[in-house]
Amino acid sequence: AQSVTQLGSHVSVSEGALVLLRCNYSSSVPPYLFWYVQYPNQGLQLLLKYTSAATLVKGINGFEAEFKKSETSFHLTKPSAHMSDAAEYFCAVSEGTGGSYIPTFGRGTSLIVHP
Amino acid sequence: DVKVTQSSRYLVKRTGEKVFLECVQDMDHENMFWYRQDPGLGLRLIYFSYDVKMKEKGDIPEGYSVSREKKERFSLILESASTNQTSMYLCASSGALAGLYEQYFGPGTRLTVT
Repeated sequence: AQSVTQLGSHVSVSEGALVLLRCNYSSSVPPYLFWYVQYPNQGLQLLLKYTSAATLVKGINGFEAEFKKSETSFHLTKPSAHMSDAAEYFCAVSEGTGGSYIPTFGRGTSLIVHP
Repeated sequence: DVKVTQSSRYLVKRTGEKVFLECVQDMDHENMFWYRQDPGLGLRLIYFSYDVKMKEKGDIPEGYSVSREKKERFSLILESASTNQTSMYLCASSGALAGLYEQYFGPGTRLTVT
């Protein structure tokens, strides 16, 4: 069984500040982990993914995430927020090889960026 | 570029009507999915299909059915729409070539049932 917890339904930052969106997961097998972004009135778009290669994963738009097995975490960060980063962010886990390819999504975190 | 398209961006239907939502993908993906998205609840899986004419129930299949007659097309059917089915509906696909575990999403259909 797999599950995802995103801490904080809303995160508010100032433009130029560090962005940190938290994601913790549980999985019975080595996981594949994903972050997706959803801009208003659009579908989800893949931001980055971890598939058991490097633990620090770089994605689009300056975002990155670090897989920490001991903490079962996959937090998303960006050094400097931009107004255009305002969106809904979803963390997802799949069970990887030998497990279900169907992801489980977190409930989402809305990122608000203030000027 | 993988493209997933949905037949409508916005739809308004009356209670009791039969509603069809269509999804088409152009990447020859084996797997297709229907989700509904509601504020605070994230994405919930309604149905998925791993091959033509094959379908599996997701977490919330009640009140919905699906059809997959061709590999590229996956339809969601609301047999008799109710107001509690007012929601954003998202279609997604995934395939072995593109990366079996990552999903590609359509733009969504916002359905309002009055």
